[in-house]
Amino acid sequence: AQTVTQSQPEMSVQEAETVTLSCTYDTSENNYYLFWYKQPPSRQMILVIRQEAYKQQNATENRFSVNFQKAAKSFSLKISDSQLGDTAMYFCAFIGTSGTYKYIFGTGTRLKVLA
Amino acid sequence: GAVVSQHPSRVICKSGTSVKIECRSLDFQATTMFWYRQFPKQSLMLMATSNEGSKATYEQGVEKDKFLINHASLTLSTLTVTSAHPEDSSFYICSAYSGGTTDTQYFGPGTRLTVL
Repeated sequence: AQTVTQSQPEMSVQEAETVTLSCTYDTSENNYYLFWYKQPPSRQMILVIRQEAYKQQNATENRFSVNFQKAAKSFSLKISDSQLGDTAMYFCAFIGTSGTYKYIFGTGTRLKVLA
Repeated sequence: GAVVSQHPSRVICKSGTSVKIECRSLDFQATTMFWYRQFPKQSLMLMATSNEGSKATYEQGVEKDKFLINHASLTLSTLTVTSAHPEDSSFYICSAYSGGTTDTQYFGPGTRLTVL
């Protein structure tokens, strides 16, 4: 069975600093997709970044980047120049290519950006 | 693009009544929609997968007679909580998948259900 683990329930970072959120996963599939979603206090799930397993290059979206280590099954999210609006729950998600299109979510990391 | 709406955003009902929640993909056709339930400070729990024109597939432990799902068109899925009880109070989120190669789900803003 596929699993996603986020080992950091809560983190905090000073405004303008950099923070890294960890995510590990377990799968026997060779091709799959990984995502980071942000859920602010409004509870709207917002896609932050997406990585395709067959791409070796790490995905980046402005201040957000990932460190994708396929062999280690690790998918961490780096937030640079943290802003107060980054305060949210962050969920790591996995989806295989077996056709069910179901996400496997991690338990989430609550990030607080401090002024 | 890829906007998903949910209605209502908040609903309060009496125990024993039924509540319908709508999920719409506004600017794309959703071949598959998903319904999640989220308890406070927890992750999303998948309840069921809904494909247009066919019966929903429920996750283990989810009562299909309690949570009725209808995916009547490529832009609309509904979740009806039948004979709601206080333990059904929760935050319900839908997502929609457009197919193709992106495998990305787009989420609605959620519905907070409170059963008195």
